[in-house]
Amino acid sequence: AQSVTQLGSHVSVSEGALVLLRCNYSSSVPPYLFWYVQYPNQGLQLLLKYTSAATLVKGINGFEAEFKKSETSFHLTKPSAHMSDAAEYFCAYCGNQFYFGTGTSLTVIP
Amino acid sequence: DGGITQSPKYLFRKEGQNVTLSCEQNLNHDAMYWYRQDPGQGLRLIYYSQIVNDFQKGDIAEGYSVSREKKESFPLTVTSAQKNPTAFYLCASSITDSGNTIYFGEGSWLTVV
Repeated sequence: AQSVTQLGSHVSVSEGALVLLRCNYSSSVPPYLFWYVQYPNQGLQLLLKYTSAATLVKGINGFEAEFKKSETSFHLTKPSAHMSDAAEYFCAYCGNQFYFGTGTSLTVIP
Repeated sequence: DGGITQSPKYLFRKEGQNVTLSCEQNLNHDAMYWYRQDPGQGLRLIYYSQIVNDFQKGDIAEGYSVSREKKESFPLTVTSAQKNPTAFYLCASSITDSGNTIYFGEGSWLTVV
């Protein structure tokens, strides 16, 4: 079955530290992959999208993600965490429909 | 500005009542979706529609109904048959080509009182 798995439902980092949020997908065909961010009581906002044009995808707010076919991964990173990055992050896969991961809550410690 | 508008933001329902959540988009998207999100959990698909006057059940359609009479509108009715309706409801839309981005509204909180 097509799906995405987010490893770690909660991640805490210190302000200024590297952010790494993990996502693995299961698919037999090249996927369309997305990362979304959700702030409290709001809808989801697109961070970035992988469409096979480049394996390293740059998104908004300094985030980027690297598609690794050999590892079936699409991890989200940011070199230096900011307090405003605290939110829920969702990895999503688009096949015949959208499949969302269960989300990772990011806490940034001052 | 183009976008997806959900209303109301907060809604309270008494036991046995049906309530309707509104979703309007001016993005000219063909496809529209309703998701349910419970605290600390991911999104679950309730219904989706890829064209006017047609819609399909998602993973958790029981106790919900939708209509798609206009391209820009996709209201969701939470019926009294939905036994645990308290949740955050998200409407979304996209163009129908494979792999296209799905865009979300700001969500509606429904609470049973």
